[in-house]
Amino acid sequence: DAGVTQSPTHLIKTRGQQVTLRCSPKSGHDTVSWYQQALGQGPQFIFQYYEEEERQRGNFPDRFSGHQFPNYSSELNVNALLLGDSALYLCASSFLYRVNEQYFGPGTRLTVT
Amino acid sequence: AQRVTQPEKLLSVFKGAPVELKCNYSYSGSPELFWYVQYSRQRLQLLLRHISRESIKGFTADLNKGETSFHLKKPFAQEEDSAMYYCAPSSTSKLTFGTGTRLQVTL
Repeated sequence: DAGVTQSPTHLIKTRGQQVTLRCSPKSGHDTVSWYQQALGQGPQFIFQYYEEEERQRGNFPDRFSGHQFPNYSSELNVNALLLGDSALYLCASSFLYRVNEQYFGPGTRLTVT
Repeated sequence: AQRVTQPEKLLSVFKGAPVELKCNYSYSGSPELFWYVQYSRQRLQLLLRHISRESIKGFTADLNKGETSFHLKKPFAQEEDSAMYYCAPSSTSKLTFGTGTRLQVTL
């Protein structure tokens, strides 16, 4: 089991564009959470998916949206990119009954120019 | 508002010295509390949970509800303990990470 995988590793986008980040959870996990980590900060919770539904959301604007597929993999979409969206985006998976014991992926580094 | 504070950005100790990484939280209700760790060139990973009262890699964490603190401690630091440590309270299944403390263990 490769654990949580994310793609791409790095991404450079221009302000105003849209981006999609992808995550495959650890085998057997049913819940996926997404985080944004700015330089020098801890991860900030964006949202969490279970059974293809968004069950929790942090303080992020509607430009941030997501999806979970029947195989539990997930996507994070960000529209109308701003310079301030430049960050490391982390995906984490878990079992719902132990939702806070999360396994993290390596992250996708997004740079908005 | 829910808040977690790790007052030290960097903590430097000598090998064999005791370690205490501080964490204070401000939460309504009774959150679950966790410590996550990120070693160099590795992923963020769970270190320990307050509910299990366990010792992992020699680390323990004491929950003090009166002071709303959850400090991480180890009696004798090892070189391999050098890493970034994040305190993470959780309520309603949502983890809130602190800004982290970098522990640097030197010889």
